[in-house]
Amino acid sequence: AIQMTQSPSSLSASVGDRVTITCRASQDIRSDLGWYQQKPGKAPRLLIFAASRLESGVPSRFSGSGSGTDFTLTISSLQPEDFATYYCLQDRVYRSFGQGTRVEIK
Amino acid sequence: QVQLQESGPGLVKPSETLSLTCAVSGGSISTSNWWNWVRQPPGKGLEWIGEIYHSGSTNYNPSLTSRFTISVDKSKNQFSLNVSSVTAADTAVYYCAREGSLNYYNSRGFDYWGQGALVTVSS
Repeated sequence: AIQMTQSPSSLSASVGDRVTITCRASQDIRSDLGWYQQKPGKAPRLLIFAASRLESGVPSRFSGSGSGTDFTLTISSLQPEDFATYYCLQDRVYRSFGQGTRVEIK
Repeated sequence: QVQLQESGPGLVKPSETLSLTCAVSGGSISTSNWWNWVRQPPGKGLEWIGEIYHSGSTNYNPSLTSRFTISVDKSKNQFSLNVSSVTAADTAVYYCAREGSLNYYNSRGFDYWGQGALVTVSS
């Protein structure tokens, strides 16, 4: 099974900060990766698919990059509504999530 | 707009079978999409359980045991999850989700989700 390792597991940031979350796959997954945002008590929300493609309705401050084994989610200017937990999900071989990154208010 | 809704008992006794159904509305289940189950234990991360196509083809998380079974009922436009011999470790919020498709080979992610159903395993 493909293991997805996310880092950091949590971070503290201020409104307006640039935030970067990384995800590393245990083997080559090409660009078969998505990023999800989850707020407490809510279902996850798709932000990015195919590593870098922005889902419809998602603000352009979110961007994704990478291919192969290393991927990045960037929030260019953190907004109050962005404080949440973020997960990567590989869809190359079966499916597997990263362990999540909690973005907290500094 | 596609909508998914989980339903099932919120409390299951240890060693019994957990059964959940995901009703799909606003679109047909017989499309070129895979239909998934994901769970999240309280305070923990997301775990992919498995997926089903309208033809009945399934894939399961190889890290999980064979206790998990996913089925589809096209006449009712819904799919289901059964988990046998449950223990407290199966206590979680269970989500159903649609996986969109870019083409035959490539996913466009889990684009529609149910609101989640909390299932507690306890005597």
